[in-house]
Amino acid sequence: GAGVSQSPRYKVAKRGQDVALRCDPISGHVSLFWYQQALGQGPEFLTYFQNEAQLDKSGLPSDRFFAERPEGSVSTLKIQRTQQEDSAVYLCASSFRVGPNYGYTFGSGTRLTVV
Amino acid sequence: AQSVTQLGSHVSVSEGALVLLRCNYSSSVPPYLFWYVQYPNQGLQLLLKYTSAATLVKGINGFEAEFKKSETSFHLTKPSAHMSDAAEYFCAVTTGNQFYFGTGTSLTVIP
Repeated sequence: GAGVSQSPRYKVAKRGQDVALRCDPISGHVSLFWYQQALGQGPEFLTYFQNEAQLDKSGLPSDRFFAERPEGSVSTLKIQRTQQEDSAVYLCASSFRVGPNYGYTFGSGTRLTVV
Repeated sequence: AQSVTQLGSHVSVSEGALVLLRCNYSSSVPPYLFWYVQYPNQGLQLLLKYTSAATLVKGINGFEAEFKKSETSFHLTKPSAHMSDAAEYFCAVTTGNQFYFGTGTSLTVIP
């Protein structure tokens, strides 16, 4: 597609509910990132994929967070047993190549509200 | 470790006035630096990036930034603010694949 697509745009979950957030990167983009942006803050790194391989998951805040990219394209971020502190905008970004020389294209994000 | 500090969480300028958004970085190795803009309910859009070529970097919408190693700064400027520039601006640094973002500066343009 023309850009990075994320769905749903908005998600309201009851505390304790499991959620799944989807990211469709730009076709052919090798690198894919997930970031968490709390209200009034800058995005914080969660995890990074190169094709289907999850090369860095150091930013995942707890074992309730899980991400996958099984075929090297679409990625899903899953949060189990959601807590109020999980409320944030979850941003996905992708890049055609690997390396810091390339800026990334960000999606519009999924705003998760846990009530 | 890498980090960025954005001085001033809110900046207000009059339409037509100079825009100056400050960013200082910390990095143990030569950094790559970026400025992103975020409009309400949208993702981040790349304004410009420094990748060790020219120290003065020109971006979209008339913005530019100058990399000053001696001051560890990468401030964003625009000579004349436009109403459409009102948004949240983020400075980011990376030396690898992970980006480290500042806390953002909200720019208000007063007509």
